[in-house]
Amino acid sequence: DAMVIQNPRYQVTQFGKPVTLSCSQTLNHNVMYWYQQKSSQAPKLLFHYYDKDFNNEADTPDNFQSRRPNTSFCFLDIRSPGLGDAAMYLCATSRAGANTGELFFGEGSRLTVL
Amino acid sequence: GQNIDQPTEMTATEGAIVQINCTYQTSGFNGLFWYQQHAGEAPTFLSYNVLDGLEEKGRFSSFLSRSKGYSYLLLKELQMKDSASYLCAVRGGATNKLIFGTGTLLAVQP
Repeated sequence: DAMVIQNPRYQVTQFGKPVTLSCSQTLNHNVMYWYQQKSSQAPKLLFHYYDKDFNNEADTPDNFQSRRPNTSFCFLDIRSPGLGDAAMYLCATSRAGANTGELFFGEGSRLTVL
Repeated sequence: GQNIDQPTEMTATEGAIVQINCTYQTSGFNGLFWYQQHAGEAPTFLSYNVLDGLEEKGRFSSFLSRSKGYSYLLLKELQMKDSASYLCAVRGGATNKLIFGTGTLLAVQP
């Protein structure tokens, strides 16, 4: 059974039209992450939540926002997508204090911007 | 800051052994991970090393030398399904976050 679920798997939007990607988890992990991965590049951390504490990476554009209404759900909002925002967006979770701190990934949401 | 280097591409033959190297620089090292990622899919966890030495898990093994900032992933008895990108990732730095390398795209040929 899938433990980290992302919706939608594929999202097509127009330039400048807001998009929301969702992530839910059944692992009860307290840390949730959003990564952006462009073709043939490394996943790039955008931000993460440690419980309700939001941690933004210094180079994450203001165009990207996130919400975590409860432990199970996390959302990525892209307020005005540009062509350069086309990418795979990966949600991941981990349990703080766990032996390995392994990240569990969802299957990703692939965003296309027309 | 953190920096991770690994080869961009490798090719190997079905049934053979391949070693994928990773070198890294980081402060406050707190573990090295290997992930496998098939095209268009999410990364899946393969291995974790935090102490020096070899960790073996079936056909996959991972080695770490902290003093050298070096790790490798060893894949034995290669199968066609092992064709994928292999991501080296390091946890460390001031914020203890997990940073990924760009990945090594492995092509397994018959």
